[in-house]
Amino acid sequence: GAGVSQSPSNKVTEKGKDVELRCDPISGHTALYWYRQSLGQGLEFLIYFQGNSAPDKSGLPSDRFSAERTGGSVSTLTIQRTQQEDSAVYLCASSLAPRGGTEAFFGQGTRLTVV
Amino acid sequence: SQKIEQNSEALNIQEGKTATLTCNYTNYSPAYLQWYRQDPGRGPVFLLLIRENEKEKRKERLKVTFDTTLKQSLFHITASQPADSATYLCALVRTGANNLFFGTGTRLTVIP
Repeated sequence: GAGVSQSPSNKVTEKGKDVELRCDPISGHTALYWYRQSLGQGLEFLIYFQGNSAPDKSGLPSDRFSAERTGGSVSTLTIQRTQQEDSAVYLCASSLAPRGGTEAFFGQGTRLTVV
Repeated sequence: SQKIEQNSEALNIQEGKTATLTCNYTNYSPAYLQWYRQDPGRGPVFLLLIRENEKEKRKERLKVTFDTTLKQSLFHITASQPADSATYLCALVRTGANNLFFGTGTRLTVIP
């Protein structure tokens, strides 16, 4: 596709369940970011992938959060044993250059609601 | 600790006036600074990028300045229109790093 695609667009899950969020970046983009945005808040950095380098996981809030990027393309963010405070919009972005010298393209986000 | 602060949560201005939004940072040495627009229910959209050795960048009605001494960027929208109403986010890339860190955003409302 022409842009960054995220699925599902909405996800409602019960507390304690695991969820997987998917991101399809723009073809050829080597950098991929995950962010979390709570209602009315800014973007909280979660994790960054760049090519074949080890990902920067410094923003992951707990060990319940993990992410992988297979084949340098699609990425999956997994949240285990979800809690109500995990409710937020999860945004994925990709960019062409590794060092922020070009724009990041964002997907529409996945709205996660933990009940 | 490192912070990126946008000075107003919300800013209301009259149509036709110039909107000025502020982004201040502490404990960063940014290589780049970017500005994004976010509409409700949508992901941010890139507007402008300015490098550490640039003082000013323009694009149509938009102007960004970058003062590394003051650790501040100003974002101006001239001849503002109601369609400019949105949340505007600044983002930094640190020198030698790869991550893009965002400020909390300023919600701009242009009143007709």
